[in-house]
Amino acid sequence: GQNIDQPTEMTATEGAIVQINCTYQTSGFNGLFWYQQHAGEAPTFLSYNVLDGLEEKGRFSSFLSRSKGYSYLLLKELQMKDSASYLCAVLDSNYQLIWGAGTKLIIKP
Amino acid sequence: GAVVSQHPSWVICKSGTSVKIECRSLDFQATTMFWYRQFPKQSLMLMATSNEGSKATYEQGVEKDKFLINHASLTLSTLTVTSAHPEDSSFYICSAAELAGGADTQYFGPGTRLTVL
Repeated sequence: GQNIDQPTEMTATEGAIVQINCTYQTSGFNGLFWYQQHAGEAPTFLSYNVLDGLEEKGRFSSFLSRSKGYSYLLLKELQMKDSASYLCAVLDSNYQLIWGAGTKLIIKP
Repeated sequence: GAVVSQHPSWVICKSGTSVKIECRSLDFQATTMFWYRQFPKQSLMLMATSNEGSKATYEQGVEKDKFLINHASLTLSTLTVTSAHPEDSSFYICSAAELAGGADTQYFGPGTRLTVL
């Protein structure tokens, strides 16, 4: 079956760095997305990785290893507004999105 | 975990025809379902929120007469794109929210890819 795993909840301190991991087992792979979702709002696109390696975009970076079925989202210089759920989703061989359950990130002062 | 399915997964239709997309929560009751639209590498755009047994609430700029939403039961919501045109081609994603103990979590469906010729 198809499966995406990510931690349910993480806590970090303002100003620190946090890494949210995502592992996947899917039928085929056409890219991996990371989204940020604040409560009551639509998910916001953060990154799309289809090749191995690290993609940096400001305070956020996303890494992909296709051979390991693994990705992480790295958030630097954490701010209180980064408190949100972070969703990992993989586009499978049929171009269907397989979603992780999301990681709730709590930022403490 | 909770599973949300969509049917069909992809559809190609002629301009002017109507297309119905189903969203089902398979192992839980969803009092609220959300319909989103996504263009490549962009954020999900919320189109409407539907609550079981009541009319959907549409986001600003979304034509309610064009995108008909029906949430007839606690496990099924449908989105009908009426008189579809090529600019309606997109990836439509639904999510279902389960209310449990006061907290709600959205579970996302796999999406339906619509191509209008």
